[in-house]
Amino acid sequence: ETGVTQSPTHLIKTRGQQVTLRCSSQSGHNTVSWYQQALGQGPQFIFQYYREEENGRGNFPPRFSGLQFPNYSSELNVNALELDDSALYLCASSLEGPGETQYFGPGTRLLVL
Amino acid sequence: EDQVTQSPEALRLQEGESSSLNCSYTVSGLRGLFWYRQDPGKGPEFLFTLYSAGEEKEKERLKATLTKKESFLHITAPKPEDSATYLCAVQTYSGSARQLTFGSGTQLTVLP
Repeated sequence: ETGVTQSPTHLIKTRGQQVTLRCSSQSGHNTVSWYQQALGQGPQFIFQYYREEENGRGNFPPRFSGLQFPNYSSELNVNALELDDSALYLCASSLEGPGETQYFGPGTRLLVL
Repeated sequence: EDQVTQSPEALRLQEGESSSLNCSYTVSGLRGLFWYRQDPGKGPEFLFTLYSAGEEKEKERLKATLTKKESFLHITAPKPEDSATYLCAVQTYSGSARQLTFGSGTQLTVLP
């Protein structure tokens, strides 16, 4: 069984640029969630995708957007990067349903200069 | 507003010295409390899910318990390889999405 994978592992961008991060779900999982984790903090929920649609969003502006593809893989896009966007971006996959466990990938470390 | 608070922020133990980590939560409609372990620079690794007060789960040297307002992660006779940040999260709904609201974690260091 393949776990959650993310690419790239590290990325350096400059303020104002755009970035795309990618995630492949664990085999059999149909739901993908994205989280942002600042240094020394717990992960914060960005949004969740199910059946290729965003079905919930945390307190993040619209310049954070995403996609889910028919094979359940996903992308996180961030436009107009700001210095505060520097963080570890985590993707988690799960089955749909209350109480289902979310399994995390290794993350993408983004540094915005 | 849903809130999760973990204590202590950091804990240093000698190998074999048992202790407990605390996670207190305020949430409307708990649908699960999750414990994860996170090593530096890596994604969180799932440990346990607890759904109702009184529930307990065990895995090797770890035991998680749940009450109506808090959860404890008990570590018995820890080893240096148990050193990591332990994250607690509650599952709630954001729209129709099931989101995890995390605490800031407890950074555990076990000294040989």
